[in-house]
Amino acid sequence: SQQGEEDPQALSIQEGENATMNCSYKTSINNLQWYRQNSGRGLVHLILIRSNEREKHSGRLRVTLDTSKKSSSLLITASRAADTASYFCALGDTPLVFGKGTRLSVIA
Amino acid sequence: NAGVTQTPKFQVLKTGQSMTLQCAQDMNHNSMYWYRQDPGMGLRLIYYSASEGTTDKGEVPNGYNVSRLNKREFSLRLESAAPSQTSVYFCASSVEPQRGNEQFFGPGTRLTVL
Repeated sequence: SQQGEEDPQALSIQEGENATMNCSYKTSINNLQWYRQNSGRGLVHLILIRSNEREKHSGRLRVTLDTSKKSSSLLITASRAADTASYFCALGDTPLVFGKGTRLSVIA
Repeated sequence: NAGVTQTPKFQVLKTGQSMTLQCAQDMNHNSMYWYRQDPGMGLRLIYYSASEGTTDKGEVPNGYNVSRLNKREFSLRLESAAPSQTSVYFCASSVEPQRGNEQFFGPGTRLTVL
């Protein structure tokens, strides 16, 4: 099973700014998921994008998938302090394989 | 619905001691998983159970055993704890392990082995 690789490893922004994090992978996938983990908590599913989709939205979240470049991006618009968390991509293999995550800090 | 619950929340063991981590889900999910999370390592799969009565090894199974007691419960046992097993352990469940299934996570068990 392959693991996605998130970039950057850490990101610090001001409240109100947009945050973008990326996930790259090596072989073809059927879908890709993004999860959030607040400090000391379990992971929470954010969004799933299938290989035949290019973009999905959920509230302030926008996920894109470029299968030709084997990469996905997660954009959080108008970030809030509450968005401070680690974000993981997970590849839709059987079972899911999680990357090492991007640590996002939103400074009020 | 409680979702995925884990007990205990915290545990300190001495090297060589044994213990069992408990996990239960009330969402009628078929599949359950055990992960460990170490700083900078992300989540690594220890064992999973695709359905009641089956278990499979994940990426890091050495030193662990699992039991799928019934559809709701999936336990993780450390027979002889080692300091290298100090970690945060997460249980998760999903409808099935096939592609495209959202996983639901428990709150975690923080284990320290001295």
